[in-house]
Amino acid sequence: EAGVAQSPRYKIIEKRQSVAFWCNPISGHATLYWYQQILGQGPKLLIQFQNNGVVDDSQLPKDRFSAERLKGVDSTLKIQPAKLEDSAVYLCASSSRQNTGELFFGEGSRLTVL
Amino acid sequence: GENVEQHPSTLSVQEGDSAVIKCTYSDSASNYFPWYKQELGKGPQLIIDIRSNVGEKKDQRIAVTLNKTAKHFSLHITETQPEDSAVYFCAASMILSGSARQLTFGSGTQLTVLP
Repeated sequence: EAGVAQSPRYKIIEKRQSVAFWCNPISGHATLYWYQQILGQGPKLLIQFQNNGVVDDSQLPKDRFSAERLKGVDSTLKIQPAKLEDSAVYLCASSSRQNTGELFFGEGSRLTVL
Repeated sequence: GENVEQHPSTLSVQEGDSAVIKCTYSDSASNYFPWYKQELGKGPQLIIDIRSNVGEKKDQRIAVTLNKTAKHFSLHITETQPEDSAVYFCAASMILSGSARQLTFGSGTQLTVLP
């Protein structure tokens, strides 16, 4: 079974530029998560989708971050304009319809903002 | 919202010794407590979990304990091996609306097993 796919793996941009990350979850997984992991810290939830509806986006900085999950499958996370403090690894994860609790993570997209 | 505290932030042990990582959580609605291992350049991977109706769970060299009254849970690794070196995260999870779960992570413990 293929795992969670993310791209790009690495991205370097200047502050005030924009960037987009893509995630393809495990087939059949209803719930998709985007986490931000700053170096030396635990993952922090940005947004959680159940199918193509938003369940929780309370920690998403909505003035600069946006995310969508079209047709309940792939998802895109966008940052515009980027700030220095957005430098982090952006992790996508998915979990099954049965919601056993286990999250399956992708390898992440590392963003460096200069 | 939920707050998860994790200690220690770094832990070095000799190969063969045991390692213990401790976490506390704040919200009594949390009822599922997974532990994830993250190797360099990879995403976190579930290694063991425990639900609130169980006090202890063991899987080979790894065990977790849960004290719901004190809102504490711990990871125990026995007979540590160099391949156990990684960052370990505890997490606490509760049900949101419907069947959707919210997962809050601790800050992580860098475990180093010295040969």
